[in-house]
Amino acid sequence: NAGVTQTPKFRILKIGQSMTLQCTQDMNHNYMYWYRQDPGMGLKLIYYSVGAGITDKGEVPNGYNVSRSTTEDFPLRLELAAPSQTSVYFCASSFLTDFGNTIYFGEGSWLTVV
Amino acid sequence: EDKVVQSPLSLVVHEGDTVTLNCSYEVTNFRSLLWYKQEKKAPTFLFMLTSSGIEKKSGRLSSILDKKELSSILNITATQTGDSAIYLCAVEVIFGNEKLTFGTGTRLTIIP
Repeated sequence: NAGVTQTPKFRILKIGQSMTLQCTQDMNHNYMYWYRQDPGMGLKLIYYSVGAGITDKGEVPNGYNVSRSTTEDFPLRLELAAPSQTSVYFCASSFLTDFGNTIYFGEGSWLTVV
Repeated sequence: EDKVVQSPLSLVVHEGDTVTLNCSYEVTNFRSLLWYKQEKKAPTFLFMLTSSGIEKKSGRLSSILDKKELSSILNITATQTGDSAIYLCAVEVIFGNEKLTFGTGTRLTIIP
């Protein structure tokens, strides 16, 4: 049971480069999320999706793009990387029930922009 | 703006002590409150508390939701070094599509 899988786990980017963080989940969850976590800070929502073909901005979307062509996959694209995007990125998924919305996280992707 | 505040920010205790972590929130359209434990990697789920389930317990960990005071506590009894982690509180709100707002966490360190 893989759960939420993110790749790569570590990456160093030069300023101005672009890259895509991959995220896939095998739990058939309809909701998926991308968060970033800076040192000493809580998780901040970048983008989220409530189902295939539907995405929406979170708290800190600038500099990022997402797509949700399938239920399983929710890649996060960084265009023109900047040092301010150095962070740990977590992908997550959840399934809504009458009792709430428990979120399951991937293991994180450590990104450094130099 | 939705707000989740955790206290203390950091806590250092000796093995065997009991600790209480606090979480308060100011949100509209509250749905649930969740506690996560974060060690070196991703946060792992501990408890979810809703109006229909305001107290949860698992082993040495327990949590209570006070909807009147808009707060929750996480208790850990007989602490062990493996309990050292950052404990995150998150509040789920309904705004058409569900959203989860996190606090900054409490860093708990257990000294042997």
